[in-house]
Amino acid sequence: DTGVSQDPRHKITKRGQNVTFRCDPISEHNRLYWYRQTLGQGPEFLTYFQNEAQLEKSRLLSDRFSAERPKGSFSTLEIQRTEQGDSAMYLCASSLVEGAGEQYFGPGTRLTVT
Amino acid sequence: LAKTTQPISMDSYEGQEVNITCSHNNIATNDYITWYQQFPSQGPRFIIQGYKTKVTNEVASLFIPADRKSSTLSLPRVSLSDTAVYYCLVGDMDTGFQKLVFGTGTRLLVSP
Repeated sequence: DTGVSQDPRHKITKRGQNVTFRCDPISEHNRLYWYRQTLGQGPEFLTYFQNEAQLEKSRLLSDRFSAERPKGSFSTLEIQRTEQGDSAMYLCASSLVEGAGEQYFGPGTRLTVT
Repeated sequence: LAKTTQPISMDSYEGQEVNITCSHNNIATNDYITWYQQFPSQGPRFIIQGYKTKVTNEVASLFIPADRKSSTLSLPRVSLSDTAVYYCLVGDMDTGFQKLVFGTGTRLLVSP
């Protein structure tokens, strides 16, 4: 399968713990995006990378959130000191620069903070 | 970014044609219109994109009138597997469509 993959698919953690999610984009895609989706809502943009450079961050991305794409390939999203409000589906997507309106999404990581 | 408005939900039956209309009154000259489909517990999937008139692919057709203030996604002969949430998005292709801005979408329920 050469699509976008995310790991883990599900994560249950206790409030205050740190969690890290991984995204592996489609190999030739130089853009990588993170979104968050809560029940009944559409995905909300968090941040995106072009190659290894993080070019934009949403105001939704508080200081507890950090994303990296160290070699321009896979990316990680870390949430420190998780809160119950962080419970959501975290979606990763990738695209070519030219076709950025056409983004390929992974299956998501569902985070539950208890 | 142009705001989009679409119906919250629609119901249909297998074999019927479904038309979902999206309003985007403030669409800018460089904006393109894109539709995504999302099944439960999956990420969204790109369906179709257009700028004006009509675009057709193997999945759907997209109709855009001359004033571009609305667009209609047409799904021919829907099946049960077309039950999903459909999102209409508007974005500037010239600036690379850096982020997709999703609304709450239209929940389509296809019944037997």
